[in-house]
Amino acid sequence: EVVMTQSPATLSVSPGERATLSCRASQTVNSKLAWYQQKPGQAPSLLIYAASTRATGIPARFSGSGSGTEFTLTISSLQSEDFALYYCQQYNVWPPGFGGGTKVEIK
Amino acid sequence: EVQLLESGGDLVQPGGSLRLSCAASGFTFSSYAMSWVRQAPGKGLEWFSAIIGSGGSTYYADSVKGRFTISRDNSKNTLYLQMNSLRAEDTAVYYCAKDFSNWDLLFDYWGQGTLVTVSS
Repeated sequence: EVVMTQSPATLSVSPGERATLSCRASQTVNSKLAWYQQKPGQAPSLLIYAASTRATGIPARFSGSGSGTEFTLTISSLQSEDFALYYCQQYNVWPPGFGGGTKVEIK
Repeated sequence: EVQLLESGGDLVQPGGSLRLSCAASGFTFSSYAMSWVRQAPGKGLEWFSAIIGSGGSTYYADSVKGRFTISRDNSKNTLYLQMNSLRAEDTAVYYCAKDFSNWDLLFDYWGQGTLVTVSS
């Protein structure tokens, strides 16, 4: 089983600033890495797949990068609606697995 | 518009059973694999079961294997989860999720979730 580790657990950022979230896999997942956003009381929603492809309707301020075992989600200029939980997920190796999440909070 | 609507969550005693449903609309249901993902209170996401579009193959995480059964009725556009021998650690919000394609276990749409509480 591939273990997904996200860091930091909590990221405090001011509106308008850049946020950089990390996700590490315990073995290679190639580029089969997705990012999801979850707001309180809501279901997760797909942001990024294939490590760097934005899902439909996702603003350009969200970008993903990486391959193999190291991945990054960057939010270039945080908007108020971006303060949320973010999860990475690998879908290359059975079973699919999620990281523990990074909470992006207002500084 | 894709919509997934779960139902059936409830308070159940340890050892009890429950059946969840997920009503799908806005896409060709039979063409997509579907999964169940759960989230314990204050915790992260756990994938635990999937079924291919035809319903012919099912998959489970070890945590639920032998206790939970996933199924689907493509004539009703509905996904099901039969949960038996429930334990306290099964307490979670249960989400159904649509596969991005027919089988890649990448989830592009999620339901709003239904809460299952296992407690005496």
